[in-house]
Amino acid sequence: EVQLLQSGGGLVQPGGSLRLSCAASGFSFSNSAMNWVRQTPGRGLEWVSVISVSGDPIYYADSVKGRFTISRDNSKNTLYLQMSSLGADDTAVYYCARGAPDYYDYWGQGTLVTVSP
Amino acid sequence: DIQMTQSPSTLSTSVGDRVTITCRASQSISRWLAWYQQKPGKAPKLLIYKASNLQSGVPSRFSGSGSGTEFTLTISSLQPDDFATYYCQQYNTYPYTFGQGTKLEI
Repeated sequence: EVQLLQSGGGLVQPGGSLRLSCAASGFSFSNSAMNWVRQTPGRGLEWVSVISVSGDPIYYADSVKGRFTISRDNSKNTLYLQMSSLGADDTAVYYCARGAPDYYDYWGQGTLVTVSP
Repeated sequence: DIQMTQSPSTLSTSVGDRVTITCRASQSISRWLAWYQQKPGKAPKLLIYKASNLQSGVPSRFSGSGSGTEFTLTISSLQPDDFATYYCQQYNTYPYTFGQGTKLEI
């Protein structure tokens, strides 16, 4: 069974940092592109970042470029999203999702990131 | 960025109804379009990819069509489990973008 188990969300102050993790099982993680997608009531679903199988190329949405870093550890079957300089607009539910390779066939359960004083 | 516009935003429906949701792209995306279903508190679930290909395990009452800039998702006979919000997503050009969603209500 394919599983993407997310961790690392929570409350963070504006300007702060947070790292999200996504542990994969049930499929060949090292052969899969992986993505982060976020969702807010106001902006809906928003693609955030993608990392290819080898780790290159990597793409980011303009809204997070320079502040967020996606990475993967194929030895641990784990995807990461390091977020810094967080602002209120980054408040969202964040999902990791497997790329197939460009649409998303498996999703994590989602983790809430709240940026607030 | 390519804008994806869904219509309607909300649809009042009944079990057994035939439902059609439209998704329009601001520029041609060929057939690089996916449809997802989302229920409250859950992650989106892939239904359709490449405009008309049914994802494994998805009931055959779901179908997709279209190319270029106009696409449709059709549910042939609505079942109780289908009341959810549906999103289209283009994957022709980065940044990949989603429609704003169509909520099916009883």
